[in-house]
Parts: sequence; C-alpha cells; structure tokens
Amino acid sequence: EDQVTQSPEALRLQEGESSSLNCSYTVSGLRGLFWYRQDPGKGPEFLFTLYSAGEEKEKERLKATLTKKESFLHITAPKPEDSATYLCAVRSGTSYGKLTFGQGTILTVHP
Amino acid sequence: DAMVIQNPRYQVTQFGKPVTLSCSQTLNHNVMYWYQQKSSQAPKLLFHYYDKDFNNEADTPDNFQSRRPNTSFCFLDIRSPGLGDAAMYLCATSRGQDAKNIQYFGAGTRLSVL
Repeated sequence: EDQVTQSPEALRLQEGESSSLNCSYTVSGLRGLFWYRQDPGKGPEFLFTLYSAGEEKEKERLKATLTKKESFLHITAPKPEDSATYLCAVRSGTSYGKLTFGQGTILTVHP
Repeated sequence: DAMVIQNPRYQVTQFGKPVTLSCSQTLNHNVMYWYQQKSSQAPKLLFHYYDKDFNNEADTPDNFQSRRPNTSFCFLDIRSPGLGDAAMYLCATSRGQDAKNIQYFGAGTRLSVL
C-alpha cells in the first residue's frame, strides 16, 4: 500500500525566513510525485510534478526536489501570501490513476 | 475562468436524507475523480471514471455512488448520509490516467450532516 508522510504538520515563519517542507513516501514503483497548494475552503492547486530522483523544479519562491525516498519543497524568502496548506501526493505503478496524498503541512508566514 | 466547477459550494443535509453533489468541467478531459477530504486529513480517492468506465476504490462504502451522464458532468450520490460523511468533497479531472496527466481540482463542496 502506498504511503505518504509529510512533516512538519505545521510551520510558522517570519516573512523572508527560508525553510523546507518534507514529504516521505513508500510506493511500489514511483510514477510521479506531485505538490499541490490548498488555500482554506478551496481545492488543491497544482504546483509541480517530479518523476525521477535528482529532478528539481522551480516556480517563483518555491523549489521542489526528489530523492528515492523523499521530496522537499524549499521556500525561499517567503511572503504572507505563501501561507497555505501544501500537499504532497504520489502515483505508483499499481495505482492506475489514483493519487495518494499526505496529510499536508500548514504553512503560516507572518509579516 | 474556473475549469472544474462544483455545485453547490456548501450543502447541508439531514442524517439519512439522500444528497447529490455536482461536478462539471470545461477541459474535455477523459477522467473524472471524486475525493473525500475530512478536516485536517489527506484527500482520499472514492472512485473515478475513465470515459464511461467506472472504477471504485475497494474501501469506498456502498453508501457512495456516482454517475457520469456525459463527458462534462459527474455526480456524487450519498444514499443515506451519516454524521461521519461530513467532509469536503473534491472533484478532479485529468486528460488521461498515466502519471504525466495532471489532476485539476475544483473548489470543493463542503457537506454538513445534521
């Protein structure tokens, strides 16, 4: 059974204070690792897909990296508008369309 | 412009009273998914349609059903809602089922059961 664990559960940062979110996974043949952002009361918004160890992707202040066991979402000089829940999800070789999500990291950035 | 539209955004129903949630999409995607997300928990896949082919997750309760009358619309029916079914219900779509196809989510319907 695919499993995804995210840490920390919650992270409070000051504006400009860089940090990283962790996503550890156990899957049968990783086909893709996805990062989504979810604002309160809204649906998840797609950020990145990573397919193989060593791959990196960047978007504005966010950078996602992938190893064989985990992924990191690095946030550089965050702003208050980066406050949200960040969800990690995996697609495995046996999941056939299904995303298995972690429980998310709630990020709060204070001005 | 919203591409995956869920209605209503908020739904209140009574214990045991059937309820239907709606999802429509303007992306012409082949696959439509329904996820259940309880408070502070991970979204959990209930079932999905690839075109007209219905795929149910093994642990989805029989109380949950779905219909897809055409490419654009998909419905989630809860036959006899219990208090434990209160959650956010998320609809998502993707062009295909392989991992290169991103799933795009609607804003969700928050269901309350009284």
